[in-house]
Amino acid sequence: EPEVTQTPSHQVTQMGQEVILRCVPISNHLYFYWYRQILGQKVEFLVSFYNNEISEKSEIFDDQFSVERPDGSNFTLKIRSTKLEDSAMYFCASTPGYEQYFGPGTRLTVT
Amino acid sequence: QKEVEQNSGPLSVPEGAIASLNCTYSDRGSQSFFWYRQYSGKSPELIMFIYSNGDKEDGRFTAQLNKASQYVSLLIRDSQPSDSATYLCAVLTGANNLFFGTGTRLTVIP
Repeated sequence: EPEVTQTPSHQVTQMGQEVILRCVPISNHLYFYWYRQILGQKVEFLVSFYNNEISEKSEIFDDQFSVERPDGSNFTLKIRSTKLEDSAMYFCASTPGYEQYFGPGTRLTVT
Repeated sequence: QKEVEQNSGPLSVPEGAIASLNCTYSDRGSQSFFWYRQYSGKSPELIMFIYSNGDKEDGRFTAQLNKASQYVSLLIRDSQPSDSATYLCAVLTGANNLFFGTGTRLTVIP
């Protein structure tokens, strides 16, 4: 069964550094999302992406964040200058149009 | 302000019993509701979704929706220890992203 994949599974970075989190959505899905979950808290929406552009973004998704679909399979989330409070699990999700399927996540640790 | 409320638990049930998980939401215009299961340290896994009032059954799982009361529930029949996890209720917003509750932690006791 097709699955959303994410790399790396764990990323450790220093404050102020740039990180790129990668996702490969399910191949015939059209809508892509990034969510994050700070330890012990709820899953929060960051951004949605459709037809090669952002369709919606939350207040969390400020100028430090960007998304890109550099080729036909990858979907990336870039954080330009990481802060301690960016430490969280980052989940990519995709949908053919309704139900969303989540990848395994990338644990980002900012030190 | 959109709200999705869940009792954080933990909810403990004996093996073989019915587990009942509840969720209320604040946005009366919400149309579609999703239940996800999340094991510790793992990603949310879709169990089922519902958008019509009434019950929807899938195997041991039944989702119930009452839009008038703004209430969604998930019943798990014949609970197994492997069902021990956090269950997340989510509402699909008008912008087609999911708004999650904080989840209810379920423990099934062998």
